[in-house]
Amino acid sequence: RKEVEQDPGPFNVPEGATVAFNCTYSNSASQSFFWYRQDCRKEPKLLMSVYSSGNEDGRFTAQLNRASQYISLLIRDSKLSDSATYLCALGRGTSYGKLTFGQGTILTVHP
Amino acid sequence: NAGVTQTPKFQVLKTGQSMTLQCAQDMNHEYMSWYRQDPGMGLRLIHYSVGAGITDQGEVPNGYNVSRSTTEDFPLRLLSAAPSQTSVYFCASKTDSGNTIYFGEGSWLTVV
Repeated sequence: RKEVEQDPGPFNVPEGATVAFNCTYSNSASQSFFWYRQDCRKEPKLLMSVYSSGNEDGRFTAQLNRASQYISLLIRDSKLSDSATYLCALGRGTSYGKLTFGQGTILTVHP
Repeated sequence: NAGVTQTPKFQVLKTGQSMTLQCAQDMNHEYMSWYRQDPGMGLRLIHYSVGAGITDQGEVPNGYNVSRSTTEDFPLRLLSAAPSQTSVYFCASKTDSGNTIYFGEGSWLTVV
């Protein structure tokens, strides 16, 4: 079993839709959780960290469920500009910049 | 705003050739790392460094060497290129506080 698993999609949604991605992980020692956004042929960029209490940044909401070992990302009121690949990433301990990534979920938002 | 700079951006190698992917950061970050990204595989850690003179292996280190003689630079060496090393390579850096990892723009390597 992969340490981190994501549904690769693709997810095709109309503008204005709400879409949610899940990411499951197998290592209960994981301590830090992130969502990254990656545009085509570009580097990943941090979208948001994920905290146990859940956190929100504008139209984006991230949740962590330690008991079931998954994190989620909810995007409300989707924009064309949200089209990208969304990668979940996990770190253990101090991390030192060492992350384990999921394979990414492709999102396409269409008019 | 340089951030993390990788060179070259594109490279074609023949099997058996060696080369070095360069990575430099100007943010005085202690931690640097190299990842490779293959289709459907996400990013996988090759090597990382927690400071000048200190390096360690990641998930997929075979066929690669690194060194960290300065805080700024973290080159990745391919010793004898193989077609399985065809990939996109990302260098990244991070300070010891905070969660944000900064990635370079990537190096597209093809081994024929």
